[in-house]
Amino acid sequence: DAGVIQSPRHEVTEMGQEVTLRCKPISGHNSLFWYRQTMMRGLELLIYFNNNVPIDDSGMPEDRFSAKMPNASFSTLKIQPSEPRDSAVYFCASRSIGTSDTQYFGPGTRLTVL
Amino acid sequence: AQTVTQSQPEMSVQEAETVTLSCTYDTSENNYYLFWYKQPPSRQMILVIRQEAYKQQNATENRFSVNFQKAAKSFSLKISDSQLGDTAMYFCAFMKQRNSGNTPLVFGKGTRLSVIA
Repeated sequence: DAGVIQSPRHEVTEMGQEVTLRCKPISGHNSLFWYRQTMMRGLELLIYFNNNVPIDDSGMPEDRFSAKMPNASFSTLKIQPSEPRDSAVYFCASRSIGTSDTQYFGPGTRLTVL
Repeated sequence: AQTVTQSQPEMSVQEAETVTLSCTYDTSENNYYLFWYKQPPSRQMILVIRQEAYKQQNATENRFSVNFQKAAKSFSLKISDSQLGDTAMYFCAFMKQRNSGNTPLVFGKGTRLSVIA
């Protein structure tokens, strides 16, 4: 199993630009989570999906953030327009409903907004 | 809402010694899971150990064990025979148990552990 795949691993962009982060969950997993990690706030949930349906997006900081899961094997997190305070590590994690209580994390995307 | 508190921002331990990392949580839930994740400098989040709240027996994984005190809402991690590779950030995490679907993790702020040769 390849594990959770995230791309890109690193992203450097300028303020105002659109940023798209991508995630491929583990095959067979039907829950997907997006977390953000910063020094100030630690690890916090942004949004999560069960069976491709967004369940809780209350952690999405602003309308500039949006997430989609068009099918069971792909999700995107988009920031438009990006701001320097969005600089963080963004993690995607997946889990299988009912068969495991463990979330498996991707390697993360380190985003730097200049 | 659930909260997880790790009161030790940093700790250090000599190689081969034992160290205990503290974690307390607050919840009104009766059914839940608790986890310890390790994050080395590579930033990969690695599951160390998990505990189901309904189990009284403390979980153990090789050199890692927990002391789960449900009434006190305490979930500490003990690392025995510490190794240099244990140097990392350690996060305590809480997850509600729901039969209807998955729920997210709530993390503590983390404890930075340094193992000294």
